Amino acid sequence: GAVVSQHPSWVICKSGTSVKIECRSLDFQATTMFWYRQFPKQSLMLMATSNEGSKATYEQGVEKDKFLINHASLTLSTLTVTSAHPEDSSFYICSAKDRQNNEQFFGPGTRLTVL
Amino acid sequence: GENVEQHPSTLSVQEGDSAVIKCTYSDSASNYFPWYKQELGKGPQLIIDIRSNVGEKKDQRIAVTLNKTAKHFSLHITETQPEDSAVYFCAPRGAPAGGTSYGKLTFGQGTILTVHP
Repeated sequence: GAVVSQHPSWVICKSGTSVKIECRSLDFQATTMFWYRQFPKQSLMLMATSNEGSKATYEQGVEKDKFLINHASLTLSTLTVTSAHPEDSSFYICSAKDRQNNEQFFGPGTRLTVL
Repeated sequence: GENVEQHPSTLSVQEGDSAVIKCTYSDSASNYFPWYKQELGKGPQLIIDIRSNVGEKKDQRIAVTLNKTAKHFSLHITETQPEDSAVYFCAPRGAPAGGTSYGKLTFGQGTILTVHP
């Protein structure tokens, strides 16, 4: 089946630093990728939708200058949390849409802890 | 946007019993209705889905039923096993908006299912 990977699986950083999370579709091409955030014991909330070769579309309330998204190829999207603060600590999950059949597959998530 | 409500928030059953989780949505243009299982520390995994032209779909012990008129769909798990214990999310996909060609999944609040041996 289709596989989506994320790297790193977990990261701990100091407040004020930036962290980059990678999302890759391993065996299919994804023109569209989605980034979600999930706080403990809560649901997944869509942060933004990224389209290959164009700017990402951010959901209301999500700061585009803080959460930088780059979707430079059909198999890779990156999310950079800039100037991270403790309140950004969360589980970040990406999802990729297969361009051939429109099926959406989820990655394993990245646990970000900001000290 | 789409409003999604999922009930119950927690469900505890004995092994072998059935479990039913209901999801109510607001967007009548929604056309895709998946259920995801999420285990602790992992991403969500699609377990079953149904599209708007079908009323029921079954895959072994798991089934999904859809009532488009009433705007709700349900997950049914029969002969539950301890390994079914997880958080389950519904995530109906609404109509495309904002010039996009693909609607977004809106996740319900989740149901914590515990299956006791």
